[in-house]
Amino acid sequence: DAGVTQSPTHLIKTRGQQVTLRCSPKSGHDTVSWYQQALGQGPQFIFQYYEEEERQRGNFPDRFSGHQFPNYSSELNVNALLLGDSALYLCASRQVSSYEQYFGPGTRLTVT
Amino acid sequence: EDQVTQSPEALRLQEGESSSLNCSYTVSGLRGLFWYRQDPGKGPEFLFTLYSAGEEKEKERLKATLTKKESFLHITAPKPEDSATYLCAVAKAAGNKLTFGGGTRVLVKP
Repeated sequence: DAGVTQSPTHLIKTRGQQVTLRCSPKSGHDTVSWYQQALGQGPQFIFQYYEEEERQRGNFPDRFSGHQFPNYSSELNVNALLLGDSALYLCASRQVSSYEQYFGPGTRLTVT
Repeated sequence: EDQVTQSPEALRLQEGESSSLNCSYTVSGLRGLFWYRQDPGKGPEFLFTLYSAGEEKEKERLKATLTKKESFLHITAPKPEDSATYLCAVAKAAGNKLTFGGGTRVLVKP
C-alpha cells in the first residue's frame, strides 16, 4: 500500500519565479492538506482540499494556491517567490471521516 | 488563539536513560492530540492519536498520555535509533487543520 508521495524531492528557484509541487494521497484517502515547515520549526497549515474545493485556509497570502484533481491528487502553486518561501513543503492526506493525517516525504524548496 | 508549546526544545539522553517530553496546549474544543516523529529532511511519521483526558497509547518504547491541559511522551530505555524530532499537534474538529508545536529534538547517545 503506497503512502503519500510528493514530487519533486528538491527544487531550486529564483526570487520572483513560480513553482508547482505535486502530491498523491495514500490509497483510500480523499482529503489533502498542505503545510510549510521552516527549518527548526513545526509545520504551518496552508490549506486543505476535499472534493476538489479548498475547504480551509491558514494564514498564507494569495500567492499560495492549490488544486485537487478527481483522483484526489493535489498541487500547490506558489507565485512571485520570495526568499522567505524557502522551506520543506509537506502534503498530508486522510479520509474525510478520520482525524489522522499521514504525511509525505516533503519537497525541499530553496529560493535564491 | 490555539497554542501548542513543547518542552524541552532539545534533549540529550544516554542509551537506556528514560525521559519524558511535554506538550501543553490551549485549544477550545479539542478533538484530538497527535504525536509524530520526524527524521531530518523527511516528513513526519504518525505515532499516536489521543482523544480524551486519561487516555494512554503505547508503541514499543514510547508511551503517550493526555490530560486536559497537556500530553506527555515517555521514552523508556531509549536506543540511538529513537533519535529524532518529536512533534505534537492538535485538531479542533474532525478533519480540521493540525496546529503543531515547535517540536523536541531528541538525541540518544550510545
